Amino acid sequence: ETGVTQTPRHLVMGMTNKKSLKCEQHLGHNAMYWYKQSAKKPLELMFVYSLEERVENNSVPSRFSPECPNSSHLFLHLHTLQPEDSALYLCASSQDASGTYEQYFGPGTRLTVT
Amino acid sequence: AQSVAQPEDQVNVAEGNPLTVKCTYSVSGNPYLFWYVQYPNRGLQFLLKYITGDNLVKGSYGFEAEFNKSQTSFHLKKPSALVSDSALYFCAVRDRGSTLGRLYFGRGTQLTVWP
Repeated sequence: ETGVTQTPRHLVMGMTNKKSLKCEQHLGHNAMYWYKQSAKKPLELMFVYSLEERVENNSVPSRFSPECPNSSHLFLHLHTLQPEDSALYLCASSQDASGTYEQYFGPGTRLTVT
Repeated sequence: AQSVAQPEDQVNVAEGNPLTVKCTYSVSGNPYLFWYVQYPNRGLQFLLKYITGDNLVKGSYGFEAEFNKSQTSFHLKKPSALVSDSALYFCAVRDRGSTLGRLYFGRGTQLTVWP
């Protein structure tokens, strides 16, 4: 256990559905991240939150909408997704967003868009 | 521009033999360097990092990595491989001078250790 949990672990959704991914960290960290992991591609950073404020949006389509209500919780709201959005979505946290500290990853949500 | 290259998609070694997983990087300034490991159906786990100081960094599970500034490399090594080391390994870099803390990850190297 890394101290970062994600739910659900698996999600299948149609292109017209709306769903949310949840991440929770129990490490007292101040920065949280969403990544997309697709086969044979480097991890793609999607969003960075520092002290509940979004500090980076890495050109992610608006059909992905993050929310960080407090420093322990991070959500990724999904709507009208495309099949190419199928991937493993990883949440991570770190002590701060400076890049000095290692990131702790959750187990991921395996998303399939049909 | 910042980038990381892991030139080998796959590395195969016999149990008990030394292993090396290669990583080279490109940053405009001095780097922070990290290695992570990912087991099947799991998220990434931190192994070790180089921030400053001794070029040889020791990490979890007997792994170590050597920072070589002239060759812009940060290869991961272990003197004696175990079957349980079989996993996907990622190298990551961040430019120390960057105002944003984002890491750039390589594509990953699949390590298989044969019994």
